[in-house]
Amino acid sequence: KAGVTQTPRYLIKTRGQQVTLSCSPISGHRSVSWYQQTPGQGLQFLFEYFSETQRNKGNFPGRFSGRQFSNSRSEMNVSTLELGDSALYLCASSPEGAGNAEAFFGQGTRLTVV
Amino acid sequence: GDSVTQMEGPVTLSEEAFLTINCTYTATGYPSLFWYVQYPGEGLQLLLKATKADDKGSNKGFEATYRKETTSFHLEKGSVQVSDSAVYFCALSGWTYGNKLVFGAGTILRVKS
Repeated sequence: KAGVTQTPRYLIKTRGQQVTLSCSPISGHRSVSWYQQTPGQGLQFLFEYFSETQRNKGNFPGRFSGRQFSNSRSEMNVSTLELGDSALYLCASSPEGAGNAEAFFGQGTRLTVV
Repeated sequence: GDSVTQMEGPVTLSEEAFLTINCTYTATGYPSLFWYVQYPGEGLQLLLKATKADDKGSNKGFEATYRKETTSFHLEKGSVQVSDSAVYFCALSGWTYGNKLVFGAGTILRVKS
């Protein structure tokens, strides 16, 4: 069974630009969550999508958005990039269920904003 | 809100030493508790989990017991190896709707041969 696939692995963008990251979950998983990992703030939850609907949202500004497609693949978008958005963005998929379901993580997309 | 507190690292041990990484949590209701491990350049991998009080999660020689009375989920291993060097994250999934994970800050473990 293929794992969670995130593309691209590395990205360099300029302040003010926008970026779209992609995540393909494990086959059969309908829940996809996104996390931001930085040395200063650690791992912070961005949002979760389940069956194309946003089910949970973290405390991030509106510049951060996401969506999920009917095949469960998900994208997240960051508009008007700031230097502080430089981070490792991790996607995780979970089987149907909530709370005690194991989250399977991708290798992440390393975003650098210059 | 829900939160997780882990002991600060880095923790440096010699091979075959005993490992304990402390983790305590604050949450309403009855959260599920997890330990994840992150190797350099990789995403997170689930190490073990426990879904109710007094449950013991175990995997690859690592163990942790869900202690509701002390709100703790300490990670232990009897004999560490160099290959265990990684960052370890304690996390909880609360009784909010969905699969949101709340993570601790992470503890760097370095094992010397």
